[in-house]
Amino acid sequence: AQKITQTQPGMFVQEKEAVTLDCTYDTSDPSYGLFWYKQPSSGEMIFLIYQGSYDQQNATEGRYSLNFQKARKSANLVISASQLGDSAMYFCAMRFAKAAGNKLTFGGGTRVLVKP
Amino acid sequence: GAVVSQHPSRVICKSGTSVKIECRSLDFQATTMFWYRQFPKQSLMLMATSNEGSKATYEQGVEKDKFLINHASLTLSTLTVTSAHPEDSSFYICSASSPEPSGNNEQFFGPGTRLTVL
Repeated sequence: AQKITQTQPGMFVQEKEAVTLDCTYDTSDPSYGLFWYKQPSSGEMIFLIYQGSYDQQNATEGRYSLNFQKARKSANLVISASQLGDSAMYFCAMRFAKAAGNKLTFGGGTRVLVKP
Repeated sequence: GAVVSQHPSRVICKSGTSVKIECRSLDFQATTMFWYRQFPKQSLMLMATSNEGSKATYEQGVEKDKFLINHASLTLSTLTVTSAHPEDSSFYICSASSPEPSGNNEQFFGPGTRLTVL
């Protein structure tokens, strides 16, 4: 079965510090894509970062980086130098190659609260 | 680029009425559109996948006669919640997918519609 797990329902982080959000997955497909989204209280889904299963290097986008450990089936998001505006829900999502129609499967989410 | 809009952003209706939600890709042609439902403090759950000009594919447990999806063009998909009941109150989010511009077949999300059924 294909499954995405985010084990941290919520966490606090001090402003300016880094935070790591966990995401593990279970699939036998060799080809897949990993996405991280941020959802502030307004509800919009903001795309943060993408990693393909065949990508050789870990993806980075500004303060966001993805610690991709394929053998361990984990794709943790690292947010460096946290800002108050980073307080939000964060979702890990995967697109499996065999999923018809380019579907995404989402993890349960992690709520991050940045403290001043 | 890659902007997706939803209308309305918020709707309150009486039990038994039908509500239509529109999802538009503003600056690209979406080969596929998705409809999600999100209950409070929960994750997004895919309801259905729609391709322009064809019938939507519904996820297991989603009533296709209750949640009518029409994908009339490459830039517009609509979700109609028929005979809405209070348990249908939720946050409905659409997304649109295209091979461009990122090449990742990324889904671009609309801002969501909060439905409250009284």
